[in-house]
Parts: sequence; structure tokens; C-alpha cells
Amino acid sequence: GAGVSQSPSNKVTEKGKDVELRCDPISGHTALYWYRQSLGQGLEFLIYFQGNSAPDKSGLPSDRFSAERTGGSVSTLTIQRTQQEDSAVYLCASSLVSGETQYFGPGTRLLVL
Amino acid sequence: KQEVTQIPAALSVPEGENLVLNCSFTDSAIYNLQWFRQDPGKGLTSLLLIQSSQREQTSGRLNASLDKSSGRSTLYIAASQPGDSATYLCAVRPNSGYALNFGKGTSLLVTP
Repeated sequence: GAGVSQSPSNKVTEKGKDVELRCDPISGHTALYWYRQSLGQGLEFLIYFQGNSAPDKSGLPSDRFSAERTGGSVSTLTIQRTQQEDSAVYLCASSLVSGETQYFGPGTRLLVL
Repeated sequence: KQEVTQIPAALSVPEGENLVLNCSFTDSAIYNLQWFRQDPGKGLTSLLLIQSSQREQTSGRLNASLDKSSGRSTLYIAASQPGDSATYLCAVRPNSGYALNFGKGTSLLVTP
């Protein structure tokens, strides 16, 4: 079956612009996670969705970052007024149930000029 | 805050060697530990997941062990192959919450 897909695969934007990153989880997976991987840094958690529960936003670095998950499936991560330090690979993962094996998408490489 | 450390940061071995990658974590209150592989420009592939109650997991040439009390895990790769060249990441899920805490990885190069 299809794995986690993300789009776009690459995004170049100018400082100050807004960007939207999309994640399609594996069908039937109830949990969805966003992570960020910056050059020279490890992966850092951003946000987590489980079913219809309120998301865990504890990893979002600033109020310029937001995410939503519509219909318990597709998720969009929005970064407003992008800054150069937002340049990173944004990875999405899903799991059948919370806490179990997370399956990752290929990521979106964001470059803010 | 959980800190996950992986040693070494980079490793180069000739094909056929057995090797061990190390992962340590500061808070032993973990739910599970997962090893991933990341190829350049790609996402992460899950290799092995060890629940906190388990001591080891095996898949093919890979064996991962977990010593929760000492905050350590090892990934053993037997008879390494050039196709094993990648970055290997260790991640722990705490008892509280679902987000994974990742180490910075070990970059492995297996030379023919």
C-alpha cells in the first residue's frame, strides 16, 4: 500500500512569505506527527494529532507555525512570515495508533531566501 | 528534558565487518525505542522498535538491544554491506507524550 506522502518535495520562498506544506498519512492511521530536521541538528518534534482530540502543539517554535488536520486524514503545516532560520526539512509521520511505529514521509525541503 | 546521544557520529568500515552503533538516553522513563535509517535526501525508514519491557529485537542482519535502567541501546549490524551505508537514528518515546526524541545519528559508510 501507499506510504506517507508529502508535497511539495522542495519549496523555495522569499523571507516574509507564507508557505503551506501538505502531508497525506497512510490510510487508516489515526496518529499524525510533524517534525523538523535542520542542518546539523537532530529531528525536533513540532506537533501531533490523534483522531479528533486536540493536537499537542508543544513543539511549535513560534506562533508563526500552525497546523491542521482535516477529516482525520490530510494535514497542512503553515508557516507565516517565513524567516531564514525556518529553512529545514519538514517531515511528517503517521502511526496506526499513538505510540506505535511511526512511518515517515520523504519530507519537504524548505529554503527561505 | 530527554537527551539522546549517539556515538560515534560517523563510522567507516570495510564490507563484511560486524559493527555496533550506540545510543544513550538520560531519562529511563521510556515507552519504547526505535531505530531508523535515513538515506541522503530521503525520509526515515523504521528498522526496529523495542518496547520498554523488551530486551532486544532482531530483523535479518540487525539486532537491537535495550537496557532501560542504564539508558542504553545498541544496534548491531552483522556482515555489513555497501547498501547499509546511511545515517542511523535512534529515537525514544517517553512514557508521557507521543513525540519521539531523536539523537543526531551515526553516519555509516561501508566500503567495498
